[in-house]
Amino acid sequence: KAGVTQTPRYLIKTRGQQVTLSCSPISGHRSVSWYQQTPGQGLQFLFEYFSETQRNKGNFPGRFSGRQFSNSRSEMNVSTLELGDSALYLCASSLSSRGETQYFGPGTRLLVL
Amino acid sequence: GESVGLHLPTLSVQEGDNSIINCAYSNSASDYFIWYKQESGKGPQFIIDIRSNMDKRQGQRVTVLLNKTVKHLSLQIAATQPGDSAVYFCAEISAWDDKIIFGKGTRLHILP
Repeated sequence: KAGVTQTPRYLIKTRGQQVTLSCSPISGHRSVSWYQQTPGQGLQFLFEYFSETQRNKGNFPGRFSGRQFSNSRSEMNVSTLELGDSALYLCASSLSSRGETQYFGPGTRLLVL
Repeated sequence: GESVGLHLPTLSVQEGDNSIINCAYSNSASDYFIWYKQESGKGPQFIIDIRSNMDKRQGQRVTVLLNKTVKHLSLQIAATQPGDSAVYFCAEISAWDDKIIFGKGTRLHILP
């Protein structure tokens, strides 16, 4: 069974631009969570989607948004990028709940210049 | 490779020795715990989990110990190998609200 995949793997943007990241969960997994990972803050929860609905949300500004499609694939969008948004963005999937074991993708490394 | 964390605590262990990585968790309502391993340039990889009704669980070369009294979790790796070099994270999950909290991580460095 294929693991969680994320595209693109690397991205360079400039301040003020927006970006969309994509995540395909493990087949059969319906819950997709997004995390931001930085050296200073570690892993921080962004949001979780289940059955195309946002079920939980972390403490990030409204510039961070996401959605989930009927096939469970998910995208996250960051608008009006800031230098501090440079990070590794990780997607994780689980069968039905964020409270279950999550399997992570390789991440998308975003650099904002 | 990508740096997961520039200021993480580091544990240096001689190849072949046992490693013990510790984690203090914060939420007394947490009832499910996971250890993840993150190698440079990769996402976190599930290693082993334990539920709060247990105090020990063993996998292949790894053992997780849970002490709920002091809210402490540890990961023991037997006969540490070069491939064990990575950052190790603990995660605690509350069944009450499915809230997940990740630890900051510990970098395991294997000495030849």
